[in-house]
Amino acid sequence: GESVGLHLPTLSVQEGDNSIINCAYSNSASDYFIWYKQESGKGPQFIIDIRSNMDKRQGQRVTVLLNKTVKHLSLQIAATQPGDSAVYFCAEISGYSTLTFGKGTMLLVSP
Amino acid sequence: GAGVSQSPSNKVTEKGKDVELRCDPISGHTALYWYRQSLGQGLEFLIYFQGNSAPDKSGLPSDRFSAERTGGSVSTLTIQRTQQEDSAVYLCASSLKRNTEAFFGQGTRLTVV
Repeated sequence: GESVGLHLPTLSVQEGDNSIINCAYSNSASDYFIWYKQESGKGPQFIIDIRSNMDKRQGQRVTVLLNKTVKHLSLQIAATQPGDSAVYFCAEISGYSTLTFGKGTMLLVSP
Repeated sequence: GAGVSQSPSNKVTEKGKDVELRCDPISGHTALYWYRQSLGQGLEFLIYFQGNSAPDKSGLPSDRFSAERTGGSVSTLTIQRTQQEDSAVYLCASSLKRNTEAFFGQGTRLTVV
């Protein structure tokens, strides 16, 4: 489940492994989803997005899967590298609502 | 510039003072967001501007917080009578329109002492 405060959910992997980061979103009316990566001291950086009429989208080394039935989003990172270490946020937009963020998952990649 | 620009990058202020934070969005972007991020936390929505529509102010935590966007471009977030709990990183983002990717600035780190 999600944590609050300084205790972000953390995923620790070895370099070269595949990583899967999960996100449960709250609004069944959400029609657009984005994954962001945030490195320490920087603003969030766009990784990949997906619209609700799709269930999978691939980018370079990343894949986003959307399961609208259970309101679940995942980010898969292939061949994880130390530079992938960061906090990852999912975000959703529904109707005329604003961009709403989940609480984030910290990914730690060991060389 | 090519990206979202925020200024200042760091601001230290005394409790009770007013502060203004500035955001220059990407040229042509109609949507502009302000978020607040405390240490180790997620992004807390503050306010959203979309074109000429009335802004969505539902995230502003108190009436000490206000924001405006002049000419559909630059935005200023104002915090009056700052309190220590206002200390956080304030992030601005813009997108071409509502349902497109939002690009973030580097944020303004506000410290209230």
